[in-house]
Amino acid sequence: AIQMTQSPSSLSASVGDRVTITCRASQGIRDDLGWYQQSPGKAPKLLIYATSNLHSGVPSRFSGSGYGTDFTLTISSLQPEDFATYYCLQDHNYPRTFGQGTKLEIK
Amino acid sequence: EVQLVESGGGLVQPGGSLRLSCAASGFTFSSYEMNWVRQAPGKGLEWVSYISGSGSIIYYADSVKGRFTISRDNPKNSLYLQMNSLRAEDTAVYYCARGDDGSGWPTPDYWGQGTLVTVSS
Repeated sequence: AIQMTQSPSSLSASVGDRVTITCRASQGIRDDLGWYQQSPGKAPKLLIYATSNLHSGVPSRFSGSGYGTDFTLTISSLQPEDFATYYCLQDHNYPRTFGQGTKLEIK
Repeated sequence: EVQLVESGGGLVQPGGSLRLSCAASGFTFSSYEMNWVRQAPGKGLEWVSYISGSGSIIYYADSVKGRFTISRDNPKNSLYLQMNSLRAEDTAVYYCARGDDGSGWPTPDYWGQGTLVTVSS
């Protein structure tokens, strides 16, 4: 199975900051990667699919990039509602695998 | 509006069985691949199983293979997960999540609210 390694596992930042979360695949997955946001007690919400495509209704401050094994999620200017946990997911093959998550906390 | 509503969770003893259901609405259910994903308390997300729109293609995570069975009833707009030989490590919130409709974007886009399965004596 493809292993997905996310970093950092946690991150403290302030409203207005620019933050970047990275995800590394154990083998090449082309651009078959998505990003999710999960708030406590809620279901995950899709932010980005196919590395860089914004899901419907997702604010443009979210962006994604990468190809092959290295990927990034960037939030250009943090808003209060962005403090949550973020997961990457490879949908290159089965079994699907998630990164371990990055908890974004308010500084 | 796309809606996915899971049900069937609860407390079950180790070795027991449970059947989860996911009722879908707001889209053409038979056109979409579907997935089950779980999350143990305080832990990350773990993909569990996949089923194609017709039900002819199925995949499982190694951790549940041979114990769980995914199925769907397209006329009833419903997805199921039959869970047998349950273990303590199967304790989790189980989500159903909508996949691809053949357009080439398989990343699950809509998720239900989840149903909690607790395996304990």
